[in-house]
Amino acid sequence: NAGVTQTPKFQVLKTGQSMTLQCAQDMNHEYMSWYRQDPGMGLRLIHYSVGAGITDQGEVPNGYNVSRSTTEDFPLRLLSAAPSQTSVYFCASSLGYEQFFGPGTRLTVL
Amino acid sequence: GQQVMQIPQYQHVQEGEDFTTYCNSSTTLSNIQWYKQRPGGHPVFLIQLVKSGEVKKQKRLTFQFGEAKKNSSLHITATQTTDVGTYFCAGRGSQGNLIFGKGTKLSVKP
Repeated sequence: NAGVTQTPKFQVLKTGQSMTLQCAQDMNHEYMSWYRQDPGMGLRLIHYSVGAGITDQGEVPNGYNVSRSTTEDFPLRLLSAAPSQTSVYFCASSLGYEQFFGPGTRLTVL
Repeated sequence: GQQVMQIPQYQHVQEGEDFTTYCNSSTTLSNIQWYKQRPGGHPVFLIQLVKSGEVKKQKRLTFQFGEAKKNSSLHITATQTTDVGTYFCAGRGSQGNLIFGKGTKLSVKP
């Protein structure tokens, strides 16, 4: 099993550009989530999904959209990137209580 | 909203010294989890505590959950250089999502 995979590993955007961060898992986990990690701020939940077709907002959802058309994939969309979205983004999945994190995407918005 | 506070933010120890990080919640938690993130890596699940007053050990690591289920601690005995990283607690509150503390960054001097 590959576990949780994320692409790209690094990305630089200009303000106003849009992009999609990809996340996939091959463990058949129902629960998937997106976090952002900023220095000194810990991990903050952006959006989460309890299964295909179901998504909900977390602590910091503004500026981000998600969809969950399959169990495996949970992409995160930035519609109009802003410098405040410069961060490291982690996707995670779980079947029970243990969350498995992907390797992360380091995003810089200029 | 629900908050999980974690102290200290940083801890520098000499190899062989003990280390403790503390986690406090503003509300009663249904359970608490601990994660470790190595420098440049992603969070990795260590353990979950569920019961009031629960104590669990993993080799040199001891995890405790307070009687009121509002606080927790992680104690490492005789630190080693392999313990370097950031340790996060994450509490699960009434809405079911994990709320992460800001983490304690541990550095170990050989």
